[in-house]
Amino acid sequence: QVQLVESGGGVVQPGRSLRLSCAASGFTFSLYDIHWVRQAPGKGLEWVALMSFDGSERHFADSVRGRFTVSRDNSKNTVYLVMDNLRVEDTAVYYCAKDALPAAGRSGFDYWGQGTLVTVSS
Amino acid sequence: DIVMTQSPLSLPVTPGEPASISCKSSQSLLRDSGYNYLDWYLQKPGQSPQLLIHLGSDRTSGVPGRFSGSGSGTDFTLKISRVEAEDVGVYYCMQTLQSPFTFGRGTRLEI
Repeated sequence: QVQLVESGGGVVQPGRSLRLSCAASGFTFSLYDIHWVRQAPGKGLEWVALMSFDGSERHFADSVRGRFTVSRDNSKNTVYLVMDNLRVEDTAVYYCAKDALPAAGRSGFDYWGQGTLVTVSS
Repeated sequence: DIVMTQSPLSLPVTPGEPASISCKSSQSLLRDSGYNYLDWYLQKPGQSPQLLIHLGSDRTSGVPGRFSGSGSGTDFTLKISRVEAEDVGVYYCMQTLQSPFTFGRGTRLEI
């Protein structure tokens, strides 16, 4: 069955960096875009980043552009979110999610991980 | 950026009764393909979001038939024909027409 498992969250001071991982299984990983979505405590969902299936496209929310980067290793079925210069307002649960259709379908996210909590605090 | 506006933000319902949530986008989500790049999610308490409807009206596999999505362009609606207790949670619409992808603020459905 399809599984997405995030890891790498934790407590970090403002201005520091953190790398999140999203390990996927149960589908042909190299055919699907992977997204990162976050949810601040008690708040709604915010789309953060997209890593395209073939590595040709990376897109970011305005709030993280220039500070976050995304990459993937199709040999390990893993996507990474590297977060630099973290701010208090980046505190959230970070989910990775799989696109519902292959090859840049951009048609909704049909499987989500359980999320990993990132807390930015001094 | 495309702004997604949901209403209402809170929706008290009675089991067995219908429910409807509106989502409006600041620009058309209709592509030349004829598909609307609008999705609906439900986040139940303590869980990750789950995809209910994608491409405006396509119900995802395993989603009960009481859920339906309609609309085109800038106006969309999620309808629940007869609400059940397990439908409680926050409903979000989201556009995937163009980056940055954007969610609505969410509608909390309460029994």
